[in-house]
Amino acid sequence: DTAVSQTPKYLVTQMGNDKSIKCEQNLGHDTMYWYKQDSKKFLKIMFSYNNKELIINETVPNRFSPKSPDKAHLNLHINSLELGDSAVYFCASSHLRGGIDTQYFGPGTRLTVL
Amino acid sequence: QKEVEQNSGPLSVPEGAIASLNCTYSDRGSQSFFWYRQYSGKSPELIMSIYSNGDKEDGRFTAQLNKASQYVSLLIRDSQPSDSATYLCAVNPIGFGNEKLTFGTGTRLTIIP
Repeated sequence: DTAVSQTPKYLVTQMGNDKSIKCEQNLGHDTMYWYKQDSKKFLKIMFSYNNKELIINETVPNRFSPKSPDKAHLNLHINSLELGDSAVYFCASSHLRGGIDTQYFGPGTRLTVL
Repeated sequence: QKEVEQNSGPLSVPEGAIASLNCTYSDRGSQSFFWYRQYSGKSPELIMSIYSNGDKEDGRFTAQLNKASQYVSLLIRDSQPSDSATYLCAVNPIGFGNEKLTFGTGTRLTIIP
């Protein structure tokens, strides 16, 4: 029944490693997002995909690479992890028809880089 | 200047009183505005959206928008302990819709029983 799901919920890893976070939505939405929330609770958009096409790419290091195999999935791969990457990463989804629709957030993935 | 500004709080309000949360934004062309509630350790959830100047009411919540002053607020009437959370103001700075939301840093609200 989960609308937007993410795996894993927690991720603890060493600096320099490569890791992936997966996101799936079963709402039939056509747009998916990745957000980063830092320790001060500031929530900032990283990427957005509409129908598997990248439509928003904020100033994010190219160590971060999103991939959308289909409309229901948006994964985030991070290379060469750094201490500053520690944060909670939220996936979200919405419809973009006319632009007015609620963004539904996943439960978040807490990434800790040691 | 931050694009969306909120007082980080904490804001403490007695149970049953009105909680007033404020937000200002810098992009005068912004068209859509949202209030999200985030409980500690949980994900944000939308509680109100507003697009036109004036007030919009939904149950105990009222959103107020003044585009001339670039100001949006959220009033919570009859505050309950379950309203204790961080409230995030979000603005779409590039036009109508919510394709690209810019969030404020949030106001932490505590309702005192």
